[in-house]
Amino acid sequence: KNQVEQSPQSLIILEGKNCTLQCNYTVSPFSNLRWYKQDTGRGPVSLTIMTFSENTKSNGRYTATLDADTKQSSLHITASQLSDSASYICVVGSQTGANNLFFGTGTRLTVIP
Amino acid sequence: DGGITQSPKYLFRKEGQNVTLSCEQNLNHDAMYWYRQDPGQGLRLIYYSQIVNDFQKGDIAEGYSVSREKKESFPLTVTSAQKNPTAFYLCASSTTSGTGEQYFGPGTRLTVT
Repeated sequence: KNQVEQSPQSLIILEGKNCTLQCNYTVSPFSNLRWYKQDTGRGPVSLTIMTFSENTKSNGRYTATLDADTKQSSLHITASQLSDSASYICVVGSQTGANNLFFGTGTRLTVIP
Repeated sequence: DGGITQSPKYLFRKEGQNVTLSCEQNLNHDAMYWYRQDPGQGLRLIYYSQIVNDFQKGDIAEGYSVSREKKESFPLTVTSAQKNPTAFYLCASSTTSGTGEQYFGPGTRLTVT
């Protein structure tokens, strides 16, 4: 069964600290993996997209890694800011079908001063 | 939120009434999607369309209907047959080539009482 699991469900960190969010998936055949940031009550915004051949991609203070062998990805946030408080969603795309995206339930990150 | 607009942001309806959610995009994307988001769950696909005048059911299409008469517009009607319509609805669009990265609108929160 194609699934995407994220951990932890929620996380609270102090401003300025780093954190890492995890994503494990069983989607096959794999096409790409995306990380989205979703502020409360808003639509998700893309942070990174990685294909099979990419094992790391950065977007400012956000760095995503992908291990296609173990089917794991992580999103590392450096020097967190209050504006990083949001839900972070991992989405895995499959090669089959016109629209085969599998969504994780997200990690809710709260950055406190 | 890119070039996708959804209206209204908040919508209240009485049980038994049909309601239509608007989604417009100016990104010249061929594909458009409707998702439903509930607390603690990943996004679930309701309907998608890859070309004008054509659309396909997603995972939870029952109680919903769509139309795609124009490339820019993909309205979603929540009918009285939808048993639990209260949710956050997200519209997205993408190209149909490459990674097909999806760009999301700001969402509409529908409350049915």
